[in-house]
Amino acid sequence: EPEVTQTPSHQVTQMGQEVILRCVPISNHLYFYWYRQILGQKVEFLVSFYNNEISEKSEIFDDQFSVERPDGSNFTLKIRSTKLEDSAMYFCASSEMSSGGAYEQYFGPGTRLTVT
Amino acid sequence: AQKITQTQPGMFVQEKEAVTLDCTYDTSDPSYGLFWYKQPSSGEMIFLIYQGSYDQQNATEGRYSLNFQKARKSANLVISASQLGDSAMYFCAMRELNSGNTPLVFGKGTRLSVIA
Repeated sequence: EPEVTQTPSHQVTQMGQEVILRCVPISNHLYFYWYRQILGQKVEFLVSFYNNEISEKSEIFDDQFSVERPDGSNFTLKIRSTKLEDSAMYFCASSEMSSGGAYEQYFGPGTRLTVT
Repeated sequence: AQKITQTQPGMFVQEKEAVTLDCTYDTSDPSYGLFWYKQPSSGEMIFLIYQGSYDQQNATEGRYSLNFQKARKSANLVISASQLGDSAMYFCAMRELNSGNTPLVFGKGTRLSVIA
């Protein structure tokens, strides 16, 4: 069964450093998302991406964040200058257009980012 | 604005018993989808079940069923014949379906513990 993959599974970085989180969505999916989950809290939407551009972003997704689809398979989230409060689990998700309208989002296993 | 409320931070259930996890939602959009995800201690988000706002029947997937009461804006998850492996966080989520890729909005989750 096709699945969303994410690398690395765990990233430790120092405050102020740049990190890139990588995702490979399911191959025939058209919509891509990043969510984050601070430890013990609910999952929060960051950004959605369609047709090579951002389609929606939350207020969390400020200028230090960027997303890119550098090739036909990868989808990346870059955090330019990490802060302690960026420590969280970051989930990539993808979905396809479906006639039923469910647009179920399939989640990757997550990358746990720890900023020290 | 969409909102998901899960009022049970934690629940306990005896193995082989059924358990209901509560979820209420709020939206002004007549077309929406409701989702339940399971998050075990390993951290991944596992899709369980989906209910569309126009679906006439309650959704079922194996031991999972969704008790959808549209007038009350509730979408409770029922797990029958609980197993030890059901111990996890459970998140209710929704998204509006009028456009292709609106993000999921999650509740705070319910931690389910299954007791032998």
